[in-house]
Amino acid sequence: AQSVAQPEDQVNVAEGNPLTVKCTYSVSGNPYLFWYVQYPNRGLQFLLKYITGDNLVKGSYGFEAEFNKSQTSFHLKKPSALVSDSALYFCAVRLNFGNEKLTFGTGTRLTIIP
Amino acid sequence: DGGITQSPKYLFRKEGQNVTLSCEQNLNHDAMYWYRQDPGQGLRLIYYSQIVNDFQKGDIAEGYSVSREKKESFPLTVTSAQKNPTAFYLCASSETGGYTFGSGTRLTVV
Repeated sequence: AQSVAQPEDQVNVAEGNPLTVKCTYSVSGNPYLFWYVQYPNRGLQFLLKYITGDNLVKGSYGFEAEFNKSQTSFHLKKPSALVSDSALYFCAVRLNFGNEKLTFGTGTRLTIIP
Repeated sequence: DGGITQSPKYLFRKEGQNVTLSCEQNLNHDAMYWYRQDPGQGLRLIYYSQIVNDFQKGDIAEGYSVSREKKESFPLTVTSAQKNPTAFYLCASSETGGYTFGSGTRLTVV
């Protein structure tokens, strides 16, 4: 079985400050890891993914995430937050073979305070 | 443009009525999925299909049904057996790698 934990339901950050949205995972094998963002009444938009290689992954809108195998974490980061980054963020994991299903975390609501 | 189209965007259902949510993709993806989203519960998998004419139950399939007669289409029927159908429904498709999502259908029981 695979699972994802997003320990914070809500994260508040002042505009211009660095932001981190936490994610830890559990999977019986090597993982593929993903971050998605959701704006109100919309579907999920892909931000970035870790498949293999460099542990630091860069994605859309200036976001990045670091894969840490020993801590089984894949935290989402951005050096300087924008008000437009306010949204709901989902971390997801799947095994790295075939067309396995993604398992999603419960989401973290990020609010950037002007 | 390639993508996934869900319709309608908003849907209202009366008690005891079946309704069908449409999901169409032109990405040529084999696998398609239906998720239900409720506040604070993330995404829960209803049904998925990895190939035409085949589908499997997800974690919360009771009260729902699907069909996969064409690669492009994966409609979801919310039956009267689903006692709490008010939610946001998301369809997705994938090859290997991540998912592409539709923009969702908000279903409300009136």
